[in-house]
Amino acid sequence: QSVLTQPPSVSGAPGQRVTISCTGSSSNIGAGYDVHWYQQVPGTAPKLLIYGDRYRPSGVSDRFSGSKSGTSASLAITGLQTEDEADYYCQSYDSSLSGSGVFGGGTKLTVL
Amino acid sequence: QVQLQESGPGLVKPSETLSLTCAVSGGSISSYSWGWVRQPAGKGLEWIGHIYNGENTYYSPSLRSRVTMSVDTSKNQLSLRVNSVSAADTAVYYCARLISVAGGDAFDLWGQGTMVTVSS
Repeated sequence: QSVLTQPPSVSGAPGQRVTISCTGSSSNIGAGYDVHWYQQVPGTAPKLLIYGDRYRPSGVSDRFSGSKSGTSASLAITGLQTEDEADYYCQSYDSSLSGSGVFGGGTKLTVL
Repeated sequence: QVQLQESGPGLVKPSETLSLTCAVSGGSISSYSWGWVRQPAGKGLEWIGHIYNGENTYYSPSLRSRVTMSVDTSKNQLSLRVNSVSAADTAVYYCARLISVAGGDAFDLWGQGTMVTVSS
């Protein structure tokens, strides 16, 4: 079990907005560690989607946005497209892990 | 641009040592920090460890006793060794580049991954 909790699945229709939560605690997100988000299409390597809670790497669509409050973070996807169907992972650090990073359990996004 | 390519034996026997390398092309390995992540079939990502400045290593507590990471600047490659493997170590193994972020670094570039099966 990861110290970062994500819902196993979310879904939405094309054009809709969905959010994916990443819930942590006072030893990780609540301690001020940044949250990063990755998108993984099945059979391919993960891709960095959001870093530093809310920044998009060059080339990532502005339909993706990140936010953080307290011990939780969220990834929002607006204007859902079929190609957004993928697994999404949050990642941060935890003071109990001696400097190691940690991923959330992942969320499967289905575009209906 | 920088590219990463993992390589190693696809099959390892239980109790033996898993050894992987990650070749970095298009840039100097010394310019960045690096890490390894694995993913069992149908499951999520697991942080194995990362290495800063070519020598400062941080390993997941769950794997620390069995894992060693290193950088060979002469070959521009990253290495991973996992000792005493079992079926639970069967996974796709990714090497990835870390970018510096004030509140904790992120992997901005990933290799394609290499499948490792532990079986007799």
